[in-house]
Amino acid sequence: DAKTTQPTSMDCAEGRAANLPCNHSTISGNEYVYWYRQIHSQGPQYIIHGLKNNETNEMASLIITEDRKSSTLILPHATLRDTAVYYCIVRVVSTGKLIFGQGTTLQVKP
Amino acid sequence: EAQVTQNPRYLITVTGKKLTVTCSQNMNHEYMSWYRQDPGLGLRQIYYSMNVEVTDKGDVPEGYKVSRKEKRNFPLILESPSPNQTSLYFCASSFLKGVANTGELFFGEGSRLTVL
Repeated sequence: DAKTTQPTSMDCAEGRAANLPCNHSTISGNEYVYWYRQIHSQGPQYIIHGLKNNETNEMASLIITEDRKSSTLILPHATLRDTAVYYCIVRVVSTGKLIFGQGTTLQVKP
Repeated sequence: EAQVTQNPRYLITVTGKKLTVTCSQNMNHEYMSWYRQDPGLGLRQIYYSMNVEVTDKGDVPEGYKVSRKEKRNFPLILESPSPNQTSLYFCASSFLKGVANTGELFFGEGSRLTVL
């Protein structure tokens, strides 16, 4: 599986959009981009995933560049409850190994 | 309710005393996996299983064993625990096949293990 690179930490004002970048320059054609978040020491929670098209769900939007070498997770209106560690992962869905990087610690401030 | 259940949630034990952390999922998932999480090291995969009787090593398998005799259960076994296995452990599961296969991993609540 390809490696991902994320900033260590980011701040965002409550009510503003949080844009979390991820670099995955070695991604293969059959690898999907997944985003998870972990609040405190709870089990990671799935947010969204995509292959090459932009995706949106009730939690977030995922923007994948045309060359697929990077992506951005967008939380449109961040709240204090969105403070968490956000993980960007690339994975071939039909295989087992799944590598979590260090993630980005997002701090949403009032 | 769809869930991944781990037991025990908290455990303090001593070096060398065999222990098992159980994991059970009720979603008929083919794929199951164990992770450990340590400060500064993030989540690291220990073992995973693609189906019944099929298991494979992750990135940090030393000191651990697993088995997958039934689809719903994937216990993690520490035959002779050592202090460096003190960690927070997570079990996860997902589909691998069919239209339900989004690759979404469902995680358990975690098991905090301390080995003295």
